[in-house]
Amino acid sequence: AQSVTQLGSHVSVSEGALVLLRCNYSSSVPPYLFWYVQYPNQGLQLLLKYTSAATLVKGINGFEAEFKKSETSFHLTKPSAHMSDAAEYFCAVSEDTGRRALTFGSGTRLQVQP
Amino acid sequence: EAQVTQNPRYLITVTGKKLTVTCSQNMNHEYMSWYRQDPGLGLRQIYYSMNVEVTDKGDVPEGYKVSRKEKRNFPLILESPSPNQTSLYFCASSYGAGANVLTFGAGSRLTVL
Repeated sequence: AQSVTQLGSHVSVSEGALVLLRCNYSSSVPPYLFWYVQYPNQGLQLLLKYTSAATLVKGINGFEAEFKKSETSFHLTKPSAHMSDAAEYFCAVSEDTGRRALTFGSGTRLQVQP
Repeated sequence: EAQVTQNPRYLITVTGKKLTVTCSQNMNHEYMSWYRQDPGLGLRQIYYSMNVEVTDKGDVPEGYKVSRKEKRNFPLILESPSPNQTSLYFCASSYGAGANVLTFGAGSRLTVL
């Protein structure tokens, strides 16, 4: 069965600092991996996804994530945080084509300090 | 505009009073799903539907019902709501599972007293 672990329920960075949000997955087959972002009082929006093409995936708003099979990780990074990046971020995994779609991690709330 | 529309956005009700949260999508998506979001637990899938008249349980289906009579609509029914169903609910749709990206509604915040 697929599962996702996000380390750190809250992360705080200074504006301009590196953002690193951690995600580890468990999957019995090659997975599809996603990062979604949720701004206050809104639904989830896709940041980026990995579908076995390039291991380094670039997303919107300057975010990127690297798929590392040996570490079963898919960490999300951004070189320089902006105040508008403050939100909750969810890592998700999908491993099949016919049934349940995504399994989400518990989320990481990113706070950006001025 | 391509979107998933949920109603109501906010609802306060009492234990045992049946309610329905509607969900409609205008993208001709085959796959639809309901999630609930609770602090520290992320999003957990309640029910999903691969197509019209095809529904199946997710991880937390107890106390919920769904139906998929039309491709665009996927209502969530709470026959006898209880306080532990107080949560933020999201409907989502996509062309399918696997690598397909889900489009989410704005969410419905439900409080059961």
